[in-house]
Amino acid sequence: QLQLQESGPGLVKPSETLSLTCTVSGGSISSSDYYWGWIRQPPGKGLEWIASIYYNGNTYYKMSLKSRVTISADTSKNQFSLELRSVTAADTAVYYCARVVYEVSGPYYDHWGQGSLVTVSS
Amino acid sequence: DIQMTQSPSSLSASVADRVTITCRASQTISRYLNWYQQRPGKAPKLLIYGASTLQSGVPSRFSGSGSGTDFTLTISSPQPEDFATYYCQQSYSAPWTFGQGTKVEIK
Repeated sequence: QLQLQESGPGLVKPSETLSLTCTVSGGSISSSDYYWGWIRQPPGKGLEWIASIYYNGNTYYKMSLKSRVTISADTSKNQFSLELRSVTAADTAVYYCARVVYEVSGPYYDHWGQGSLVTVSS
Repeated sequence: DIQMTQSPSSLSASVADRVTITCRASQTISRYLNWYQQRPGKAPKLLIYGASTLQSGVPSRFSGSGSGTDFTLTISSPQPEDFATYYCQQSYSAPWTFGQGTKVEIK
C-alpha cells in the first residue's frame, strides 16, 4: 500500500529556508505513471498547489512562488523534497506531499501524506 | 489562473438528507474536475475525478456531475463520517486550483 510521509522542521525563522522531504513507501517515484507534488494549506484556509516533479526530473511550479521554490527528487532514497526560500509568516501552513495520477479523464491527487505543519516565526 | 468558486461555503444537514455542493469555474474546464473530502486534522481524500468517476473504495452515496463551468457533488444520504469539508479542484490547466471549500455540518 502506497504511503507518503512528510518530514522537516516545524519552525522556521523569517527570511530563512523551509525544507521538507516526502518519503514514499509501497511504490516508486521512478515510475513513469505518476507525478509527485507539494500542496499547502494555511491554518483555517484552503488548498494551494506549490510544485510538482516527474520521474524524468521535469519540474513545474506555481508562478507566484517560482522564484523561491525548488522541488527535487532522490530516487535512490525514494524521496522528493521541497525548498522554499525567504519565508515569511504568510508561508505558515500545513504542507502536504501527494501523488498525481494522469488519466484520460484528467490528473488528480490520489494519495496524500498526513501533512507537516510549518510555522514561520522568530 | 482559473478561479474555482464553491457554494455554499457551509451547510447544515441531517443524516439522510440529500446534500448538494456546487462548484463553478471561471472558464470552461471540460470535465477536468476533482472532488476531495477533508476531515478535521486530516489530509484531503480523493472522492471523485473526471467530474463523475468515483474513486475506488468511496461509497456510492457520493456522486458528481457537470461539465464546462458548472459542477455538482451530491451526497445522497450523508452518514456521520461524511460531515467534513469538501473541495473541488480543476486540473484543466496549471496551476491546478482548488475551490475555497464547503463545510458540511450536522444539523
